[in-house]
Order: sequence, then structure tokens, then C-alpha cells
Amino acid sequence: QVQLVESGGGVVQPGRSLRLSCVASGFTFSGYGMHWVRQAPGKGLDWVAVISHDGKNEFYSDSVKGRFTISRDNSKNTLYLQMNNLSDEDTAVYYCAKDRRLYSFGCSSWGQGTLVIVSS
Amino acid sequence: DIQMTQSPSSLSASVGDRVTITCQASQDINDYLIWYQQKPGKAPQLLIFDASSLETGVPSRFSGSRSGTDFTLTISSLQPEDFATYYCLQYVILPFTFGPGTRVDV
Repeated sequence: QVQLVESGGGVVQPGRSLRLSCVASGFTFSGYGMHWVRQAPGKGLDWVAVISHDGKNEFYSDSVKGRFTISRDNSKNTLYLQMNNLSDEDTAVYYCAKDRRLYSFGCSSWGQGTLVIVSS
Repeated sequence: DIQMTQSPSSLSASVGDRVTITCQASQDINDYLIWYQQKPGKAPQLLIFDASSLETGVPSRFSGSRSGTDFTLTISSLQPEDFATYYCLQYVILPFTFGPGTRVDV
């Protein structure tokens, strides 16, 4: 079955950087788009970014554009999120999610999430 | 960006009740809508895709429908494991946008 395992979360100071990883198994990773979605404590779901199955297309929410970079290594079945210039508003659980198709047909399976806390 | 609104924001119900949650899109999204269920401390689970298609393994008491830009998630007979927060997601165009959620509790 589909399994997505995120890692890389932790406590980081404002203005610093962090890289999240998501290792996928149970499906053909290179055949699906992948997303990052976040959820601030006690709040709703907030879509962050998507990357196409082949890594050639990316799209970001306005709130992270220019600061976050989504990438993938299909040889390692791994999705990444490089987060730069972090602020308090980026504090959240970050989920990776598998797309239903090649790029942008909605999120099907989700990982368990990794918590990022931005605090001085 | 497309805005998604949900109503109600929360509701109280009992086991066996019929529950209806509505999501409205700010513009036409065709049938490009997904419903998720999320329990505390857990990742969201896909219930309905393409507005009305039931995901494999999801109980048949869950159903979805569309009327124009209004979408409805119905739970025909609420079960104890259905107490959770429900979100809609539009995926007709990037950026994807979620509704703010509807909390269903006792």
C-alpha cells in the first residue's frame, strides 16, 4: 500500500532555513505528481506546492513563492521541500501527499506529517 | 485564486443522524472537488473525488453531490467513527484551495 514518510521538521529560528523530505513507497513514485500541504496548530489545511511526476513543472502558493522550493529525486523515491527565510507564520505540520495523477488532480494519499516550529 | 467556503463551521449531531455539509466555490469548478475527513492528530483521508465518486474502501453512507458551484457531502447515518473535521478541496486550477473545514462532534 501507499506509504509516505516525512522527516526534517524541528524548531528553527526566524529567517533560517530547513529542508523537509518525504520518502515514498508502495507505488510508482515517478508516475505521480506530489504535493506539500501544511496545517498550522488548530487551523485548517493550507496547500503549499506541487511538482509534476517528472519534476519539470512546479507551482506554489503565493504565501511561499520565492522562499520555498519543491523538488524530487525519482531515483530515490523522495520528495523535498526547501524552506528559506522562515517566519512564525510557517509554523505548521507539513504533509506530503500523492497526486491522483501526473500533476494536479488532487491529493489522494497523505503522510503522517512533520512538525515545523519557527521560533526565536 | 478560487475561494472555497464551507457551512456550517461546526455542528453537533448524534449517532444515526443524517448530516449534510456544504461547500461553495467562488467560481465554476465543474466537478473538480474532493472531500476529506480528518481526525485529531491524523492526516486527512480522501472520501469523495470528482464531487460525487466514492473512494475505494469508504463506507457507502458517505455521498457527494453538486449543484452549480455548490457541493454537498452527506453522511446518511452518522457512526461513532465519523466524528471528525471535514474539508473540501478544489483542484480545477492551481493554486489548490481548501475550504475552512466543518467540525462534526457530539
